[in-house]
Amino acid sequence: SQKIEQNSEALNIQEGKTATLTCNYTNYSPAYLQWYRQDPGRGPVFLLLIRENEKEKRKERLKVTFDTTLKQSLFHITASQPADSATYLCALGAGNNRKLIWGLGTSLAVNP
Amino acid sequence: GAVVSQHPSWVICKSGTSVKIECRSLDFQATTMFWYRQFPKQSLMLMATSNEGSKATYEQGVEKDKFLINHASLTLSTLTVTSAHPEDSSFYICSATPGRLAYEQYFGPGTRLTVT
Repeated sequence: SQKIEQNSEALNIQEGKTATLTCNYTNYSPAYLQWYRQDPGRGPVFLLLIRENEKEKRKERLKVTFDTTLKQSLFHITASQPADSATYLCALGAGNNRKLIWGLGTSLAVNP
Repeated sequence: GAVVSQHPSWVICKSGTSVKIECRSLDFQATTMFWYRQFPKQSLMLMATSNEGSKATYEQGVEKDKFLINHASLTLSTLTVTSAHPEDSSFYICSATPGRLAYEQYFGPGTRLTVT
């Protein structure tokens, strides 16, 4: 069955460092991959979308890579800030129905 | 831009009653809306996909007669939990995609449902 794995353990880093989160998937051939941020008790917020034919995408302090051979995406936050502390979700989609398969998320804590 | 509202933000109801949750796209027309539920420390679980003017498509295991979805317009979708039971208590979140060429989803703030 289709499976998405994200870092199960919470990630703690120091302010100013780069946070790197991992998303691995199996038994799936996504056409695109998305990253979202979710704060406690809130709906997710869309951050970035990367397509299968793209290797890397950037938006301000965020960078996403997508390796369809390794079946992996890396999500980087550079110059991290305490305000970046949240759970980050990886989601994959393939069809025109826009349905997404979701990972469990990785909790990130940026310490001042 | 791409703001989605949800109402109510939380609701407490008694077993056997029905609860309606509204989801609105405030500044765009949503060709597709999704309804999810999420349990603590769990992933988002897609319940159904709805397109304006057509019947919702429910995911396997989701009872369509219990979770009624109406996508009445390009900016409004409603989820009605009928004959609610305590096990229906959860965090319900809607999302919407803006336009036929968009694949990202914009989420509402969620509704916390507690059935007593």
